[in-house]
Amino acid sequence: DIQMTQSPSTLSASVGDRVTITCRASQSVSYWLAWYQQKPGKVPKVLIYQASKLHPGVPSRFSGSGSGTEFSLTVTSLQPEDFATYFCQQYNIGPYTFGQGTKVDVK
Amino acid sequence: EQLVESGGGVIRPGGSLRLSCVASGFRLEDHGMSWVRQVPGKGLEYVSGDLWNGRERGYADSVKGRFTISRDNANNSLSLEMKSLRVEDTAVYHCVRGGTGGSGNDLWGQGTMVTVTS
Repeated sequence: DIQMTQSPSTLSASVGDRVTITCRASQSVSYWLAWYQQKPGKVPKVLIYQASKLHPGVPSRFSGSGSGTEFSLTVTSLQPEDFATYFCQQYNIGPYTFGQGTKVDVK
Repeated sequence: EQLVESGGGVIRPGGSLRLSCVASGFRLEDHGMSWVRQVPGKGLEYVSGDLWNGRERGYADSVKGRFTISRDNANNSLSLEMKSLRVEDTAVYHCVRGGTGGSGNDLWGQGTMVTVTS
């Protein structure tokens, strides 16, 4: 199975900060990589698909980049509602594995 | 559009359960579907999934040989047959829809809790 490794596991930030989360795959997944945001008690919500495409309705402060084995999710100006946990998932080769998650909390 | 899971519960190690997911507001046959589980407070684990035509997209190593995914497009439902359950299978199991055109998992059910305990 493809292993997905996110870093950091926890990120402390302030409103207005630019934050970047990285996700590394153990083998190439091409551009078949999605990013999800999950808040406590809620189901995950897709933010980015195919590595860099913004899902409809997702604010433009979110962006994704990368291909192959290295990916990143960037939030250009962190808003109060962005404090949450973020997961990457590859969907190139089954089983479609997730990263372990990155919690973005208040500094 | 909605996904509603059922079938969870408390079960002894070694037991079996069958989870069901009923889709409403869209046609299951137009989408790949997955089961994703999450221990409360922990990360997401992809369990299994299939394509719109029922072709399997793999199982997590942790469940391979014990869990089986299936679908009934006529009844707009997805199932997960779970056998030889282990304590470590305890989690909330979510039914998840794959978006069209490879747009990621765009619809999640609220989940059904499975607790494996002696």
